[in-house]
Amino acid sequence: ETGVTQSPTHLIKTRGQQVTLRCSSQSGHNTVSWYQQALGQGPQFIFQYYREEENGRGNFPPRFSGLQFPNYSSELNVNALELDDSALYLCAGQEAGTGELFFGEGSRLTVL
Amino acid sequence: GESVGLHLPTLSVQEGDNSIINCAYSNSASDYFIWYKQESGKGPQFIIDIRSNMDKRQGQRVTVLLNKTVKHLSLQIAATQPGDSAVYFCAENINDYKLSFGAGTTVTVRA
Repeated sequence: ETGVTQSPTHLIKTRGQQVTLRCSSQSGHNTVSWYQQALGQGPQFIFQYYREEENGRGNFPPRFSGLQFPNYSSELNVNALELDDSALYLCAGQEAGTGELFFGEGSRLTVL
Repeated sequence: GESVGLHLPTLSVQEGDNSIINCAYSNSASDYFIWYKQESGKGPQFIIDIRSNMDKRQGQRVTVLLNKTVKHLSLQIAATQPGDSAVYFCAENINDYKLSFGAGTTVTVRA
């Protein structure tokens, strides 16, 4: 158990739609990061949030956005979905002391 | 592009043998590296990490070696077990624990 839970586990959307993915981390995980993992690839860093502010972004367009809440939960929002957005989206809580990342099991998004 | 890569996409190993998974990185300024294991349908699970001021670190049945001269990282698994079958990723810390992952090596353990 990593203490990080994500929802939904699977979902299907169509091109142009919007999606919100949710993550709940445990107490002490002040930093949360989101990663996109395409099939057969390693995870790609999307962005990181610390104390409810974005703290770095990877090579992803602005239609990928996020929120972090005081209760250690966070959201990833993707607007104007494209077929290439089909992937496993991973949330990772970061332990404040060691910096170790704890990943959730991901939300698998399919865009048709 | 990715700064971290793995030498081989697949590795088949006999149960009980030792496994060695390799990884090359390109950023000589990287100071922290992590190995993750990802089983089917699950998120990446931390295995072991190493900082750039070390060249070897051991855990339970696992050893990570870091060769900064040739920018090479390896993960050794002793006495490989069926439960070790998974995809293994090396990851490089860009900064503030923003990680750059390689493409992964799929390890299959033969009974």
